[in-house]
Amino acid sequence: DAGVIQSPRHEVTEMGQEVTLRCKPISGHNSLFWYRQTMMRGLELLIYFNNNVPIDDSGMPEDRFSAKMPNASFSTLKIQPSEPRDSAVYFCASIKSGGGNTGELFFGEGSRLTVL
Amino acid sequence: AQSVTQLGSHVSVSEGALVLLRCNYSSSVPPYLFWYVQYPNQGLQLLLKYTTGATLVKGINGFEAEFKKSETSFHLTKPSAHMSDAAEYFCAVRGRGGGNKLTFGTGTQLKVEL
Repeated sequence: DAGVIQSPRHEVTEMGQEVTLRCKPISGHNSLFWYRQTMMRGLELLIYFNNNVPIDDSGMPEDRFSAKMPNASFSTLKIQPSEPRDSAVYFCASIKSGGGNTGELFFGEGSRLTVL
Repeated sequence: AQSVTQLGSHVSVSEGALVLLRCNYSSSVPPYLFWYVQYPNQGLQLLLKYTTGATLVKGINGFEAEFKKSETSFHLTKPSAHMSDAAEYFCAVRGRGGGNKLTFGTGTQLKVEL
């Protein structure tokens, strides 16, 4: 079974450029999460979706960050314009919500972003 | 809101020695608790979880954790460390009130020495 698929795995860009990170959740999962991992702040939840609808975006750092989930099998996290402090590993995770769900998230392998 | 605290950002043990990674949670009601492991350049992988029932939970790779309500703890242990256990370990909590949001601790880097 395919797990959570993220692309690109690595991205190096220059300050001011637009960055788009992509995620394909596990088929049948209806909740999707975007996390950011840095040495200084650890794992932070940026935003999550239930049934393609954003539920909690309180972790999105600022207006430069936006996330969409146009359908059940695809989500994007966009940073425009990017800044060096956005350098981090961005993880996507998914879960099947509903009865009996005990909260185990399945993670992708992450997208490592470096903004020069 | 739920939170977890991991004591010790770095732990070093000898191969064959006991591994003990500490996690304390803060929650008004017993939450769901998880331990994840992250190997270099990889995503997080579930080691074990506590939801309900037996308080001693066994996971993959010989790890186990015990939920202690009186101590609000969920420490991770392994009787005998192996070199392949070197990784970063994260404790996480989720409330029982609905929603799937996991809140992670700051992580503990485990080093295993010969």
